[in-house]
Amino acid sequence: EAGVAQSPRYKIIEKRQSVAFWCNPISGHATLYWYQQILGQGPKLLIQFQNNGVVDDSQLPKDRFSAERLKGVDSTLKIQPAKLEDSAVYLCASSLGSYEQFFGPGTRLTVL
Amino acid sequence: EDKVVQSPLSLVVHEGDTVTLNCSYEVTNFRSLLWYKQEKKAPTFLFMLTSSGIEKKSGRLSSILDKKELFSILNITATQTGDSAVYLCAVEGPGGTSYGKLTFGQGTILTVHP
Repeated sequence: EAGVAQSPRYKIIEKRQSVAFWCNPISGHATLYWYQQILGQGPKLLIQFQNNGVVDDSQLPKDRFSAERLKGVDSTLKIQPAKLEDSAVYLCASSLGSYEQFFGPGTRLTVL
Repeated sequence: EDKVVQSPLSLVVHEGDTVTLNCSYEVTNFRSLLWYKQEKKAPTFLFMLTSSGIEKKSGRLSSILDKKELFSILNITATQTGDSAVYLCAVEGPGGTSYGKLTFGQGTILTVHP
């Protein structure tokens, strides 16, 4: 079974630039999550999708972050414009509906 | 606001030692507590605990939950260098779906020297 795919693996941008991350969940997984993990901290949930609907985006900074999950499969997370404090690893996870979330390898974002 | 606190923040041991990692939490409407192991980037699932006093075991790893005192411990016996990782504790509270929302602790960095 293929795991959760994410791209790119690394991204370096200047502040105020835009960036987008892509996630393809495990086939058949209805629930998709985006997490932000700042160095030295645990992952923080940004947004949770059930199929193509948002069920929790309470911690998403909506003035600069946006996410979509078209057709209930893959998803894109965008930051526009980026700030220095957005430097982090962005993790995507999916679940079939059980408690077990399967995580992708993450994208390490560095904002200079 | 939900809170999960892990201790110690880091731990250095030698192969063969036994370690105990701690996780305390304050979560409204607790549903479950989960332990993950994070090597490099992607966390991998270890255990889910929902009931007090029932130990979950997997090889040299075991975990137990105390819902009265709001904490959990993760034990690793006969540690090996391959156990070196960040161990994350997460607590599931109510969320927008049947399976809730995870709040993670900051993690414990375990380093096992040969």
